[in-house]
Amino acid sequence: EDQVTQSPEALRLQEGESSSLNCSYTVSGLRGLFWYRQDPGKGPEFLFTLYSAGEEKEKERLKATLTKKESFLHITAPKPEDSATYLCAVRRHMDSNYQLIWGAGTKLIIKP
Amino acid sequence: DGGITQSPKYLFRKEGQNVTLSCEQNLNHDAMYWYRQDPGQGLRLIYYSQIVNDFQKGDIAEGYSVSREKKESFPLTVTSAQKNPTAFYLCASSIGTSGKNSQYFGAGTRLSVL
Repeated sequence: EDQVTQSPEALRLQEGESSSLNCSYTVSGLRGLFWYRQDPGKGPEFLFTLYSAGEEKEKERLKATLTKKESFLHITAPKPEDSATYLCAVRRHMDSNYQLIWGAGTKLIIKP
Repeated sequence: DGGITQSPKYLFRKEGQNVTLSCEQNLNHDAMYWYRQDPGQGLRLIYYSQIVNDFQKGDIAEGYSVSREKKESFPLTVTSAQKNPTAFYLCASSIGTSGKNSQYFGAGTRLSVL
């Protein structure tokens, strides 16, 4: 069964304390892995798309990496405004199916 | 500014009542989607549409209905057949439905049962 699992469920860090969020997946064929940020009561905001193992993308304090089985979202020297839930989703290789499989998210809390 | 507008932000449904959630986009995107978000779970696809006057069921379509009469609009009706409608509903759109197109989301509608 195709599945996306994010860990940890929640992560509390001090401001400036770097860490990583994990997104592991089991799909028959990967056609893109997506990272989103979601603030409370709002819709997800697109961050990155990764397509192949070894690919990396960066944006400010965030860096996303991809292997054949998982993706990491590295957060360097985070600030309180980085607090949010980070969602991961994968798209399978299916010609007529455009669905994403979503993880449940990691809630990140950055304490000042 | 281009974007996706969902309304209302909060909605309350009485038992036996149908309610309609609005989703409008001015991004000129062909594809539109409706998701349901429940605490501790990943987003689940309700319906999606690749083109005007065409739509397909997602994983949890039972108790919901949609229409796509205009490219810009994709309203979702939560019918009385949906016995557990309390959730956060998200509308999204993308340029197309190929694997390289990212989905962009509205701000959501929170539906509660009175």
